This record gives sequence, C-alpha cells and structure tokens, in this order.
Amino acid sequence: EVQLVDSGGGLVQPGGSLRLSCAASGFTFSNDYMSWVRQAPGKGLEWVANIKVDGSEKSYEDSVKGRFTISRDNAKNSLYLQMNSLRDEDTAVYYCATSSGYRFGYWGRGTLVTVSS
Amino acid sequence: QTVVTQEPSFSVSPGGTVTLTCGLNSGSVSTSYYPSWYQQTPGQAPRTLIYRTNIRSSGVPDRFSGSILGNKAALTITGAQADDESDYYCALYMGRGTWAFGGGAKLTVL
Repeated sequence: EVQLVDSGGGLVQPGGSLRLSCAASGFTFSNDYMSWVRQAPGKGLEWVANIKVDGSEKSYEDSVKGRFTISRDNAKNSLYLQMNSLRDEDTAVYYCATSSGYRFGYWGRGTLVTVSS
Repeated sequence: QTVVTQEPSFSVSPGGTVTLTCGLNSGSVSTSYYPSWYQQTPGQAPRTLIYRTNIRSSGVPDRFSGSILGNKAALTITGAQADDESDYYCALYMGRGTWAFGGGAKLTVL
C-alpha cells in the first residue's frame, strides 16, 4: 500500500523557518517525481514545488522562489521542503504528492503550517 | 500571468449528468497540458480522478470521464450520486516541471 506521511508543520512567526518532511513507503520512491501542494484555509489547491527523481531538476511556484527549497533523500525514501522567510500568506496545509506521469497520483494527508505573530 | 479557470459551483440532481470545465484566461486547453482532475471532501486529502485528459485513476467509477470540450478540459459525471458532493479541482501541466490548479468547483447533489 502506498503511503505518504507528511510532518513538520507547526506555528512559526513571520520571517521564520520550517522544514517539512514526507516519508514514503509502498512504492519505489526513487522512480517518482515528487511535489508539494498547499491549501490555505478555505481556499483551493496551489502547486508549490516539484523535484525530479534524482533531485537534479527542481521547479517552484513564483511566490516561493528564493524562499523555499525542495529536496529528497532517495536512500531514506523522504521528501523535504525547507521554508525560509515565511509570510502570513504561506499559512496552509501542505501536502506531498507523487507527480510522475503528468499527474498527482498519490497524496499525503497534509501537515498544517501556521505563520502568525 | 496564466490563470486556470473553473466555474465555482454546480448543482446536479441524483442520477443526473453534470460537466465541469477547466479553461485558461488566455488560450485554449489542449491535451498538451495533460489536464487532470481531483476530488476533495472537507478535511481530506485530494483524490486523483482523471489524468492525461481522460484516463481514470485506479478505482475511480466509470461514471467519471474526462475530455476536451471546445477550448477547455472537461470532467463529466454521469449518474451523479450523493457521495459525489465534493470540491473538484483541475490541474494543468504548464511545462518545465510546473503546474497550475484551477480555483476549484463545489458540486452539490440535490
């Protein structure tokens, strides 16, 4: 059974940092592109970042470029999102998802990030 | 700036048919955008319904179908059921590893 377990969310002050993790199991993690997708309270889905299978290529939504860094450790079957210079508008549930085959195939249950003073 | 458009709300009677669409503020949606569709109920993670325009994800009932209608991607639910009442999102692949979601459509079955 495919499982993606997101963790690392919490309350952080504006300007602060947070690192999200996503532990994968039940599939060959190293064969899959991975993404982070977020959802602000009461709002729609927003794609945040994407990483190639070997980590050699990364892409970001414009509002997080230069502040967020996506990475992966295939030996640990884990995906990460380092979030710096956090803003109020980054408050959201963050989901990790597989993104091979031009689709978000499997989703984690999400981890809530709240940016507030 | 590219914006993916969805009508915000729909309603359908049980057993009825409804079509949700996914467009672009400038230009047409084609299969080259690999449109995909996701269903989400409150408090839950999204569930993948359709990808690459018209391929149903594993376990998705065949009452859900995807297509291109005119200049938009479309999700059609034929024979709607009460538990289809959810939010529906389309996503388009914009190239170079980037994606864009539509604003979502809330479907009411009544």
